[in-house]
Amino acid sequence: DVKVTQSSRYLVKRTGEKVFLECVQDMDHENMFWYRQDPGLGLRLIYFSYDVKMKEKGDIPEGYSVSREKKERFSLILESASTNQTSMYLCASSLGNLVEQFFGPGTRLTVL
Amino acid sequence: AQSVAQPEDQVNVAEGNPLTVKCTYSVSGNPYLFWYVQYPNRGLQFLLKYITGDNLVKGSYGFEAEFNKSQTSFHLKKPSALVSDSALYFCAVRGLPGAGSYQLTFGKGTKLSVIP
Repeated sequence: DVKVTQSSRYLVKRTGEKVFLECVQDMDHENMFWYRQDPGLGLRLIYFSYDVKMKEKGDIPEGYSVSREKKERFSLILESASTNQTSMYLCASSLGNLVEQFFGPGTRLTVL
Repeated sequence: AQSVAQPEDQVNVAEGNPLTVKCTYSVSGNPYLFWYVQYPNRGLQFLLKYITGDNLVKGSYGFEAEFNKSQTSFHLKKPSALVSDSALYFCAVRGLPGAGSYQLTFGKGTKLSVIP
């Protein structure tokens, strides 16, 4: 089975802090994704990557950056956390274009 | 731009009754459609997908979905609901594969409650 793990299930940070969210997948998938999930808004794509060192902006990239130095790892960075970034963050990976994405358990981030 | 609509925020159904969770989509070209389920405090789990072929797609846990091109719909169904089916359900769509078009667009989700 594909396993996608995220570094933390719950995280509490202060406004202005730099925050790193880590995601690791163990199935040699090419594509990796970061979403945020908010009630009533569903999932919104922040960034995705289709290869090592490659990244593409999603629908809501403002205030975020990403890093993919190794194929299995995709990091989401909040340069200066703000309260409106309080959310559930979900990482996903997929092997190709037409196949399903596999999701991690999520990180619930609270910014105070 | 591609989009997905899940017109019902919540669906309530009695245990043992059939259930339907609705999804309509808008996309250029042929759609690739997915259903996911999310249990409380968990990530999303894949249920089923339509890429091409038979309009009736069977998936995990006894769920199925019917692709209707003329109505641009992909409703999720199950003949007999279980209390354990209570969860949040997401429909997603993507359009033609091509450079940069890896993006899935998700609906806002439908909360399914199965009443004992």
